[in-house]
Parts: sequence; structure tokens; C-alpha cells
Amino acid sequence: EAQVTQNPRYLITVTGKKLTVTCSQNMNHEYMSWYRQDPGLGLRQIYYSMNVEVTDKGDVPEGYKVSRKEKRNFPLILESPSPNQTSLYFCASSLQGQGTTIGGYTFGSGTRLTVV
Amino acid sequence: SQQGEEDPQALSIQEGENATMNCSYKTSINNLQWYRQNSGRGLVHLILIRSNEREKHSGRLRVTLDTSKKSSSLLITASRAADTASYFCATFNTNAGKSTFGDGTTLTVKP
Repeated sequence: EAQVTQNPRYLITVTGKKLTVTCSQNMNHEYMSWYRQDPGLGLRQIYYSMNVEVTDKGDVPEGYKVSRKEKRNFPLILESPSPNQTSLYFCASSLQGQGTTIGGYTFGSGTRLTVV
Repeated sequence: SQQGEEDPQALSIQEGENATMNCSYKTSINNLQWYRQNSGRGLVHLILIRSNEREKHSGRLRVTLDTSKKSSSLLITASRAADTASYFCATFNTNAGKSTFGDGTTLTVKP
């Protein structure tokens, strides 16, 4: 089944403890992106990647890192998480940038992160 | 205010009625897409309309795009209780890779 898989689904951590949220897609998509979703703020783009070894900042990149060493994986790294990074995170992928495929973006199921 | 703003924020209708949601944006776009999200779940792509298109249909969905007014609308005809969800518009601009999602419209369809 074509899908984007995020892990973990739920995570509670403490301030300052480094964590990684994994994202993997099995559709051979070039483009991948991370978003965070907060009440009243919609989805905001954190980072995106047009292809392997190519990453760019979205609208809210502060406090996050990403890497794209291989096509299928696009992990989101929080080096020193803070409470304001408590949010619902989504990974998405598509064949090309701008979602110019028939199917648009395929989203993962989300990771609910709580930083205490 | 944010690009890709939906209006209304919340909409409640009876099953069988039509639901119309609007989206406004600010900058030039390559395409605009509509997504649906059931509570706490991932977004599901509904329909894509390119900047040179004015209207598009998919089943019970009809999307219009007016680039002169920088606005789009999503019409769901003959709504069903299963259509209850949040609906988001997303704009994709000429800066390849960047996308902007609105805050969404929460649709409730009462059986």
C-alpha cells in the first residue's frame, strides 16, 4: 500500500532532550515536507526537500533540523525541544514540488508531540 | 493574516444540503489544492486546480478559482454525514517547494 509512515504516533518528552521523528514513504516521491499543526494556526511548513541531499526552510524552521540522505526517508530532528514545540506534526510527500501530481500530497497519520 | 484563509471557520448543515467553503490567498500561485482532515488524522487530498483553470469537478466536489480575486471555492453537493470533517485549502506558489495551508473550515453535516 502506498503510504507515508511516521513514527512515533505519540511522544511525551522533557525540555532539552534530543528527539527524532521519522518519516518514510514507499512511493519513490522526490518531494517531502514537514508541517506542524496548531489550533487556530492551520498547518505551517517547517522544512521541505525537493530531492536527496536538497533541503530548504519553510515558514517555521527555528528549532528543527532535517536530513535527506536517501529518497524514502526524511527525519525531523529536534536538538533541544522546548514546550512551544508541543504540536501535531505531519510529514507529506509528492512526486514533484508544488504538489503538481494528480494525487497532490500524501500525508502521514501525524505525530502528537508534547514537550514538558 | 495568513495566506490561504478559509471562510467560514465553521459550517453546520443538514444532510442533503450543499456546503460551500471559500479560500482567499495573497500571492501568485502555481496551483491550489483542497484537503480534508478527519479529527486528529492526516490530510487527504481532494482536488487540485491549476492557475490557468477556472473550474474543476470531481464527483460531488466542484472547485472554482478566480485568480483576479485571489480566491477559490469548494462546493460539496448533496452532503452526507460522512462529509463531516475539516477542509483546508493549500496554495503552491512559483517558489517551488513552498506551500501554505489555511486554518480550515470545520464542516458538520447533521443526519
